[in-house]
Amino acid sequence: SQQGEEDPQALSIQEGENATMNCSYKTSINNLQWYRQNSGRGLVHLILIRSNEREKHSGRLRVTLDTSKKSSSLLITASRAADTASYFCAHRRPGNQFYFGTGTSLTVIP
Amino acid sequence: EAGVAQSPRYKIIEKRQSVAFWCNPISGHATLYWYQQILGQGPKLLIQFQNNGVVDDSQLPKDRFSAERLKGVDSTLKIQPAKLEDSAVYLCASSLGRGTGSGVDTEAFFGQGTRLTVV
Repeated sequence: SQQGEEDPQALSIQEGENATMNCSYKTSINNLQWYRQNSGRGLVHLILIRSNEREKHSGRLRVTLDTSKKSSSLLITASRAADTASYFCAHRRPGNQFYFGTGTSLTVIP
Repeated sequence: EAGVAQSPRYKIIEKRQSVAFWCNPISGHATLYWYQQILGQGPKLLIQFQNNGVVDDSQLPKDRFSAERLKGVDSTLKIQPAKLEDSAVYLCASSLGRGTGSGVDTEAFFGQGTRLTVV
């Protein structure tokens, strides 16, 4: 399979807690991106980190990238009920191919 | 800015029938993607176009699926004949896709998808 893998598959936390999800891939990349998908809707881009970057922040989101381990993590701080969704990482290969991971289903309990 | 348009939104067909999906990407976007998303799974790349050339179709079941991108703009994805396991949401996305290397690292914009049910 060309897909990346994510863990955990499902995560349930209380509102206000932090949520961490991890992503792994198998090839060299140009960048890695994280997307969110609300039930029954399209995917929305959250954040992009380039292969020469190690950490990036955007609001309550923090992404790290370790190209030696071919892995990335997404941290959502101070979670809200509205953060309930599925989260996917996607890696862009040097040939511009764009592959998604298997996803993490996040439930934030009010 | 208009988003990625897909039609139809929903389609129900019997197995062995044919079906076609249409996608209109964001104006000026060179790269167009078709993904298949089975319930509970991540999007699986079926085919990726750069203008009207194919970048990757390694996961497209070519015995039954075909796709084309006319004049590097709109695209259609066809399934003929459909099988029960083709039931999924078919997502179209587009991105600027300029150049190579770091120049292609743009985000992808997704349409709402077509939900296909094969019975």
